[in-house]
Amino acid sequence: DTGVSQNPRHKITKRGQNVTFRCDPISEHNRLYWYRQTLGQGPEFLTYFQNEAQLEKSRLLSDRFSAERPKGSFSTLEIQRTEQGDSAMYLCASSFSGVLYEQYFGPGTRLTVT
Amino acid sequence: QKEVEQDPGPLSVPEGAIVSLNCTYSNSAFQYFMWYRQYSRKGPELLMYTYSSGNKEDGRFTAQVDKSSKYISLFIRDSQPSDSATYLCAMSAHNFNKFYFGSGTKLNVKP
Repeated sequence: DTGVSQNPRHKITKRGQNVTFRCDPISEHNRLYWYRQTLGQGPEFLTYFQNEAQLEKSRLLSDRFSAERPKGSFSTLEIQRTEQGDSAMYLCASSFSGVLYEQYFGPGTRLTVT
Repeated sequence: QKEVEQDPGPLSVPEGAIVSLNCTYSNSAFQYFMWYRQYSRKGPELLMYTYSSGNKEDGRFTAQVDKSSKYISLFIRDSQPSDSATYLCAMSAHNFNKFYFGSGTKLNVKP
């Protein structure tokens, strides 16, 4: 399968715990985006990488959130000290520099904070 | 006020009907306009994109952009039960640093 993959698909955690999600983009795609989607809403932009450089961050991305993309390949999104309001679907998307409008989304990681 | 507004529906139509989905936006910097389809518990998939104003047709789907009114539409002809999904509009400026999505319209096509 050459699509975007995300792991884990589901994560249940207790409030206050740290969680980390992984995204593996399509191999030749140099842009990688993270979004958060809650029920009945569209994806909300969190951050994006051009290769290994994080170039844009949303105001939604509090200091409890951090994202990395070492070596410009896979990316991780970590949430520290999770809160119930962090419960959402976290989506990753990638695109190729020559066709930036064409984002390919992964299946998402569904986070439930209890 | 959100940058992109979209009627959440739900929209229920009989098979074969023409469906019209719409979004409005406020940011004049938006140049690229996309429509995504999202099935339950799946990631969105790109259906169509349009650059600036105009129409674009792809099979049963037609996308329209009216930048003067800041209004975009997606028309689905001869709708099928398999078209039942949530449709999301999305927009970006020329640099694609951010994509702004509507809240999605849930469509149900009844056999």
